[in-house]
Amino acid sequence: ETGVTQSPTHLIKTRGQQVTLRCSSQSGHNTVSWYQQALGQGPQFIFQYYREEENGRGNFPPRFSGLQFPNYSSELNVNALELDDSALYLCASSFRDSNYGYTFGSGTRLTVV
Amino acid sequence: GEDVEQSLFLSVREGDSSVINCTYTDSSSTYLYWYKQEPGAGLQLLTYIFSNMDMKQDQRLTVLLNKKDKHLSLRIADTQTGDSAIYFCAESFSGNTPLVFGKGTRLSVIA
Repeated sequence: ETGVTQSPTHLIKTRGQQVTLRCSSQSGHNTVSWYQQALGQGPQFIFQYYREEENGRGNFPPRFSGLQFPNYSSELNVNALELDDSALYLCASSFRDSNYGYTFGSGTRLTVV
Repeated sequence: GEDVEQSLFLSVREGDSSVINCTYTDSSSTYLYWYKQEPGAGLQLLTYIFSNMDMKQDQRLTVLLNKKDKHLSLRIADTQTGDSAIYFCAESFSGNTPLVFGKGTRLSVIA
């Protein structure tokens, strides 16, 4: 059973650019959530995808968008990057009808300069 | 609104017990979790407890829940240097609703 894998592990972008982060769900999981963890903070919920549709969103602007694919993998896209977008982005997968919560990936460290 | 509070730092000696505390505000939270984050890594689920439970024990870990005071604690027995990490308390309404995290408690274990 594979866990949640994210790519890339590190990324440096310039303010104003766009970025795409990728996530492969744990085998058997059908729901993907994305979290942003700024330095010294707890993770903040960005959004969740189920059946390829957004299924809940946190307090993040529309320039944060996502996709879920038929194989349950997912992408997080951020447009018009700002310096404050620098953070660890965590992907978490789960099985919708399960009570056992989420499995997290190791994250993508995004630095915006 | 939802809020989860934790103390930021805890330092213990190797072999002692560690107790990490957490308070939450959302009385509708049904699931309460403890996650561990080591430097440069993602989050590892340590344990979870349902709101209809008072206590859960799993090897060296003991979780206590005081639902009346909305207080959750994680006790690590015989703390080892490998336990040094940041510990996050998190709450959610169900097993698939978004997690609300605290800011984390950095546990330092002194040899």
